Amino acid sequence: EAQVTQNPRYLITVTGKKLTVTCSQNMNHEYMSWYRQDPGLGLRQIYYSMNVEVTDKGDVPEGYKVSRKEKRNFPLILESPSPNQTSLYFCATRRGNTIYFGEGSWLTVV
Amino acid sequence: DQQVKQNSPSLSVQEGRISILNCDYTNSMFDYFLWYKKYPAEGPTFLISISSIKDKNEDGRFTVFLNKSAKHLSLHIVPSQPGDSAVYFCAASPNQGGKLIFGQGTELSVKP
Repeated sequence: EAQVTQNPRYLITVTGKKLTVTCSQNMNHEYMSWYRQDPGLGLRQIYYSMNVEVTDKGDVPEGYKVSRKEKRNFPLILESPSPNQTSLYFCATRRGNTIYFGEGSWLTVV
Repeated sequence: DQQVKQNSPSLSVQEGRISILNCDYTNSMFDYFLWYKKYPAEGPTFLISISSIKDKNEDGRFTVFLNKSAKHLSLHIVPSQPGDSAVYFCAASPNQGGKLIFGQGTELSVKP
């Protein structure tokens, strides 16, 4: 079964405490991406990766880092989280025109 | 600046009738457009797409229309069913590259 798996699904953390949201896929897709969803703003792309060791900024990359050391994993790193990064985060892979999204990670920064 | 806009946050339609969801974009470099459906507590799921070389694409009850001169696309659902009730996002991609820009979403409610 095609899967995009994110962890954790729910997290409450404090300002400034580094955290990583992991994402893995079992479809051997080259393309992976991270989005955040906020009320009234829809889904906004944070970073994307066209292949291993290739990453590019999306629309809202500030405050985030990513790495793509292997094809199946694309972690999202918040080095010093702030309350404005409280959001619902989605990881996704893409083959052709079809994007497969994970189930989402609810992150609250207090 | 919102490059992809869905100006209607919500839409309510009677079961069996047509649902029309609209999306406008500003960037003429966009050449691929997609529609996604999202239920609460789930990730978006792909519905239908259209390339800028076409003006219509149909898949079952779903049809997407593209008007390049107006920079407008729409999703038609006929006939609408209660299970179609969800948030619908349109998205656009420039040069079929890695960037994908979403609209704000329209919440569709189909009433029995």
